Amino acid sequence: GAVVSQHPSWVICKSGTSVKIECRSLDFQATTMFWYRQFPKQSLMLMATSNEGSKATYEQGVEKDKFLINHASLTLSTLTVTSAHPEDSSFYICSARDRRGTTPYGYTFGSGTRLTVV
Amino acid sequence: LAKTTQPISMDSYEGQEVNITCSHNNIATNDYITWYQQFPSQGPRFIIQGYKTKVTNEVASLFIPADRKSSTLSLPRVSLSDTAVYYCLVGDQYSSASKIIFGSGTRLSIRP
Repeated sequence: GAVVSQHPSWVICKSGTSVKIECRSLDFQATTMFWYRQFPKQSLMLMATSNEGSKATYEQGVEKDKFLINHASLTLSTLTVTSAHPEDSSFYICSARDRRGTTPYGYTFGSGTRLTVV
Repeated sequence: LAKTTQPISMDSYEGQEVNITCSHNNIATNDYITWYQQFPSQGPRFIIQGYKTKVTNEVASLFIPADRKSSTLSLPRVSLSDTAVYYCLVGDQYSSASKIIFGSGTRLSIRP
């Protein structure tokens, strides 16, 4: 079945530094990838939608200059948290939609990245 | 986008059948209903998907009435490992413009 690999699974960084999270579709091409953020005991919140070769579309309230998204190929999207601060500490999850739109499930999720900013 | 409403939490015991109902009153014609399971510190995992009537796989059944304004996820003979958060999602998976918006989900706790 469709597999989405997310890396790293966890990262600790110092306040003010930047962190990059990768999301790869391993056995299918993804025209669209989604990035979510999840705080403890809460649901997933959609941050942005990235389409291969074009600029990402951010949800209301999400700072596009802080959360840089690049979708340079049909199998890779990256999320860079710039100038991270403790309030950015969260669980980040990506999701990919098969280009063919023929997978029975439509969307596949990565395993998530736990970001801790100290 | 169709909004979904689920119970915030449910409790049950090992060996019981658990039914989680989701309301989606403004579901569109092209929308599918998909249920995901999420364990702590993991990404959501696909459980089952359906459009109408009943769908069954090796882990669950999905019941969808004719008006499609609700759906029920049925987990037969649950075990402790079924303790997780379950999300009901509604959307057109074949539309490139479609995106998945998560509701609150149902936190299921299974006791011995």
